[in-house]
Amino acid sequence: QKEVEQNSGPLSVPEGAIASLNCTYSDRGSQSFFWYRQYSGKSPELIMSIYSNGDKEDGRFTAQLNKASQYVSLLIRDSQPSDSATYLCAATGGGSNYKLTFGKGTLLTVNP
Amino acid sequence: NAGVMQNPRHLVRRRGQEARLRCSPMKGHSHVYWYRQLPEEGLKFMVYLQKENIIDESGMPKERFSAEFPKEGPSILRIQQVVRGDSAAYFCASSPTWNTEAFFGQGTRLTVV
Repeated sequence: QKEVEQNSGPLSVPEGAIASLNCTYSDRGSQSFFWYRQYSGKSPELIMSIYSNGDKEDGRFTAQLNKASQYVSLLIRDSQPSDSATYLCAATGGGSNYKLTFGKGTLLTVNP
Repeated sequence: NAGVMQNPRHLVRRRGQEARLRCSPMKGHSHVYWYRQLPEEGLKFMVYLQKENIIDESGMPKERFSAEFPKEGPSILRIQQVVRGDSAAYFCASSPTWNTEAFFGQGTRLTVV
């Protein structure tokens, strides 16, 4: 069973702090990795994609990928109360496993 | 460029009826995923389709559930003889090809009474 696992949380940080979200995946052949944000009662919204080892920055968000350790992370700098949501890590499979698999998500709360 | 469109947004069915959920992908996208989500739970993969082809249906229950993505028109997720346990939010996502970014629709909230 190919899986994506996340810290279940919940994670609580004060406003202005850095929030760190982590994810591991079991399919060593996975090639593409994504972070989605889902507000309660809403659909998932894509916030970051990363395909190669290293860091990728977009505004206050930085995604990090380490394929050797099968580890993906998302850092949110200067966290805002509006960042409070569930963050979902996802990976596409390797080889003939094409499906996009999601972790169960980490609930982040940013306290004013 | 319209996003992924799902309809209906809310659907109420009595036990034993059929539910049909529709998903129109973004323009230029030929790949569609369907997911089910129960309250306070993660997204459970159901099926991955490309135009006219089912690529991976490993998450679909063997009975009562089917999906299609015809050459013309939206992708359809069909649930026959619905039961209360089918009540959930069903999301579809589309992408231009495999292994690339997928974008979600607003979902269909199915309630079985």
